[in-house]
Amino acid sequence: EPEVTQTPSHQVTQMGQEVILRCVPISNHLYFYWYRQILGQKVEFLVSFYNNEISEKSEIFDDQFSVERPDGSNFTLKIRSTKLEDSAMYFCASTISGQGALGANVLTFGAGSRLTVL
Amino acid sequence: LAKTTQPISMDSYEGQEVNITCSHNNIATNDYITWYQQFPSQGPRFIIQGYKTKVTNEVASLFIPADRKSSTLSLPRVSLSDTAVYYCLVGASRAGGFKTIFGAGTRLFVKA
Repeated sequence: EPEVTQTPSHQVTQMGQEVILRCVPISNHLYFYWYRQILGQKVEFLVSFYNNEISEKSEIFDDQFSVERPDGSNFTLKIRSTKLEDSAMYFCASTISGQGALGANVLTFGAGSRLTVL
Repeated sequence: LAKTTQPISMDSYEGQEVNITCSHNNIATNDYITWYQQFPSQGPRFIIQGYKTKVTNEVASLFIPADRKSSTLSLPRVSLSDTAVYYCLVGASRAGGFKTIFGAGTRLFVKA
């Protein structure tokens, strides 16, 4: 079964450092997403990405965050200057369909990258 | 995006059938209802999706009444490994992408 692959599985960083989290979505998927989940809390939407540009973003996704699809396979989330409150699991997801057909909202998630900011 | 309301938590015993109901009074005509399961330290995993009536797969059944203002996820004969958080999502897409927003979910605890 196709998978969404995320690296690293765990990253520890110092406050103020830049972090890049990487994702390889499923190859024929067209829509890509980042979510985060602070320990014990719900899954929060950060950003969706389609056709090489951001489609939607939440209020969490401020100027410290950026996303990029540098080549045909990788999808990255960069946090420019990490804060303590950025400590969370970050999940990448992808879906093939964005047009309201059956399969809309069917996201395939990666295993997540745990970010710890000290 | 339609708001959803689910119970915060439920307890069950192994072998029982579990029904988790989600309310979505403001569901739109082109919205689908999708359920996900999340185990600790893992990403959510798609369980089932439907538009109306009943949908069944190897994992669960989804019951949607005619007015579509609610839906019920049914897990037959749960086991300890079904202990997880279950999320009900309602929405569709619009051209160029969409937000998929997760609510707080229902924490199901299955006891021996």
